[in-house]
Amino acid sequence: EAQVTQNPRYLITVTGKKLTVTCSQNMNHEYMSWYRQDPGLGLRQIYYSMNVEVTDKGDVPEGYKVSRKEKRNFPLILESPSPNQTSLYFCASSLSTGGPYNEQFFGPGTRLTVL
Amino acid sequence: GQSLEQPSEVTAVEGAIVQINCTYQTSGFYGLSWYQQHDGGAPTFLSYNALDGLEETGRFSSFLSRSDSYGYLLLQELQMKDSASYFCAVSGTGNQFYFGTGTSLTVIP
Repeated sequence: EAQVTQNPRYLITVTGKKLTVTCSQNMNHEYMSWYRQDPGLGLRQIYYSMNVEVTDKGDVPEGYKVSRKEKRNFPLILESPSPNQTSLYFCASSLSTGGPYNEQFFGPGTRLTVL
Repeated sequence: GQSLEQPSEVTAVEGAIVQINCTYQTSGFYGLSWYQQHDGGAPTFLSYNALDGLEETGRFSSFLSRSDSYGYLLLQELQMKDSASYFCAVSGTGNQFYFGTGTSLTVIP
């Protein structure tokens, strides 16, 4: 089954404790992306990757890191989480960003609470 | 900068037709997409318009006017299960995606 998986689905942590949210897709997609969703703000792109070893900042990259060492995986790293990073996070992938192949497939989401 | 405007809430009656508008401002433009998100779920792709005109997929249609930087999603024969949030999104030459803040659609009997 074609899918994007994220782990963990729920996480409660404390300020400053490094964490990683994993994301994996099995569709051989070139493009992967991380979003955060907050009430009234919609989905905001954190980082995206056009291909292996190619990553770029989105609209809200502060406090986050990513890596793309393999095509299928795109982990999101919070080196020193703070309460303002409490949010719902989605990983997504697509064949490309333009043309008819930019349909993004989203993972199930990770609800993060930073105390 | 990039901005997308869509109404925050819409209410419609089961069986009716509803239109959700989206106006955008973006530097570089590939196309306008629409996504549906049920409470507690992930966004799912509905449609994509790169050229002016209407695209129809079953009960859902999407329209784009590039000259007006405007598009809409049309939902026909509304069903209770269509109650959800709907997001417009643009993809541009910077390879980024930008989403609107979403329209919460409530379908009432």
